[in-house]
Parts: sequence; C-alpha cells; structure tokens
Amino acid sequence: KQEVTQIPAALSVPEGENLVLNCSFTDSAIYNLQWFRQDPGKGLTSLLLIQSSQREQTSGRLNASLDKSSGRSTLYIAASQPGDSATYLCAVTGGTSYGKLTFGQGTILTVHP
Amino acid sequence: SQTIHQWPATLVQPVGSPLSLECTVEGTSNPNLYWYRQAAGRGLQLLFYSVGIGQISSEVPQNLSASRPQDRQFILSSKKLLLSDSGFYLCAWSAWGPGELFFGEGSRLTVL
Repeated sequence: KQEVTQIPAALSVPEGENLVLNCSFTDSAIYNLQWFRQDPGKGLTSLLLIQSSQREQTSGRLNASLDKSSGRSTLYIAASQPGDSATYLCAVTGGTSYGKLTFGQGTILTVHP
Repeated sequence: SQTIHQWPATLVQPVGSPLSLECTVEGTSNPNLYWYRQAAGRGLQLLFYSVGIGQISSEVPQNLSASRPQDRQFILSSKKLLLSDSGFYLCAWSAWGPGELFFGEGSRLTVL
C-alpha cells in the first residue's frame, strides 16, 4: 500500500527566504507526482506535475524534483512571499489507477512579512 | 479553457436527510471525473471515479453513491446522511487516466 509522507508538517519563514518542502513515498512504482496548493476552505490548485520519467519541473518561482528510485520529491520555492502562505500537498498516482492519487498530509506554510 | 464547478459550497444537514452534491466540467469532453473527501486529520480519500457516462467505480464502501447522467456532470448522493459523512467534498477531473488532476472549489458538508 502506497504511503506518502510530507516533512515538515508546518513551516514559518520570513518573506524573501528560499525554502524546501519534502515529500516521500513508499512504493517507487508511480506514474506521476503532483504538487498542489490549498488555501483555507478552498479546493486544490495544481502547481506542478512530474511524470515518472522526468527529474524536475519548473513554474515561475517553483521547482519540483523527483527521485523515483529513492521515493522522494522536493518542492523548492524561491524568494517566498506572504501570498505563498497555504497548505502544500504532494500526491502520487500509480500506473494502473485512474486518477487515484495518494496524498500526503501536507505542509502548512506561513510566510510572514 | 477548462473550468470545474461544484455546488452547493456549504451545506448543513440533519442526520437521516438526503444529500445531493453536483459537479460540472466545462471546456472539455469525455473527462474522467472523481469525488474525493477531505476529513479533518485524515487527508484526502478517493470515493468514486468515472471514465464515462453511467460508469461509476467505488473505492470504499460507504453510505454514499455517485452518478454520471451526462458527459460532464457528476453527482454525489446519499439517501440518509450519517454524522460520519461530514467533511469537505472535492470534485476533480482529468483529461485521461492517470493524468493531471484539476479540482473544484469543494463543498463543505456538516451533518448534525
């Protein structure tokens, strides 16, 4: 059974810092990995999708890496801003599952001015 | 561009009452559709998915059911709500199998 763990559970940083969120998964037989952002009381916004054959994806100040063999992914946020404050969720999809994502518990990020 | 809509956004229902949550997707055809539930402290759990009209697969046994009467419409229902049905329900779609998932804004259900 796939399990996804995110570390740290919560992170508080001053504005402008670069930061790294970590995600690990127990079964390396994944099809892809997605990072999401969730604001309080809202749905999930897809940030980055990494296919299992890829090593990283970039979007603006966000960079996600994937090391499938070791079961790890990191989300790097450069020059953090207060608007980045949210819960960040990592999720993996198995090769035979139709959109069945296994989610981590998330990292609650607070960026203070 | 594609959009996904869910309603109602918030719902407070007594135990034993029926439930109907609706989700529609615009700007795409034949999407895969999903219902997830996010319960406090328990993360997100896949409840149902559908690869086509009338085709519903259930991931976990429960008090809920799903239907897909039209290509881009997905409905989550219950005949009699339980306290344990409380949670945040999220509809999602993908263009194909294990592709990128896009979520709606969610429906918060409180059963009293």
